[in-house]
Amino acid sequence: RKEVEQDPGPFNVPEGATVAFNCTYSNSASQSFFWYRQDCRKEPKLLMSVYSSGNEDGRFTAQLNRASQYISLLIRDSKLSDSATYLCVVNGPNNNDMRFGAGTRLTVKP
Amino acid sequence: DGGITQSPKYLFRKEGQNVTLSCEQNLNHDAMYWYRQDPGQGLRLIYYSQIVNDFQKGDIAEGYSVSREKKESFPLTVTSAQKNPTAFYLCASSWRIANEKLFFGSGTQLSVL
Repeated sequence: RKEVEQDPGPFNVPEGATVAFNCTYSNSASQSFFWYRQDCRKEPKLLMSVYSSGNEDGRFTAQLNRASQYISLLIRDSKLSDSATYLCVVNGPNNNDMRFGAGTRLTVKP
Repeated sequence: DGGITQSPKYLFRKEGQNVTLSCEQNLNHDAMYWYRQDPGQGLRLIYYSQIVNDFQKGDIAEGYSVSREKKESFPLTVTSAQKNPTAFYLCASSWRIANEKLFFGSGTQLSVL
């Protein structure tokens, strides 16, 4: 089992749609969770951290389920500018590095 | 402006040649990292450094070498032993090791001639 697994997609949705991504992780001791956004051939940029109680930032909501070892990202009212690859990131087993999922590709269409 | 700078943006390597990718940060971060990204894949850790004069191997260190002589600099050398070097290389930094937001450079695309 990969340390961090994501559905690669692609997810093709119309503007205004709500879309959700899941990410599973294998290390039950992981404490830090993030969602990053990456545009084509650009560097990843932090979208949001994921807290135990769940957190929201505008149209974006992140949730953590420790029992099932997954995190989720919900995007409401999708915009064309949301088109990107979304990377799930979890701290590694030695707590010395961050482990990245392969990413989920989202395309929002007019 | 504070940030992390990678150079060059594009780099070409001949067979049997060593090449060095530059990474400089002025954020006063202790930790620095090198990742490799292949098309359609996530980032894989090559090396990381928690502090000056110290670095550790990541998951795919074979064929690569690094140094950390200064806090702000963490160059990566792709040696001739790396048989499949074509990839997008990303340097990152954070205040401390792990559990922290990563700041990324804009990346270097390395290709083999």
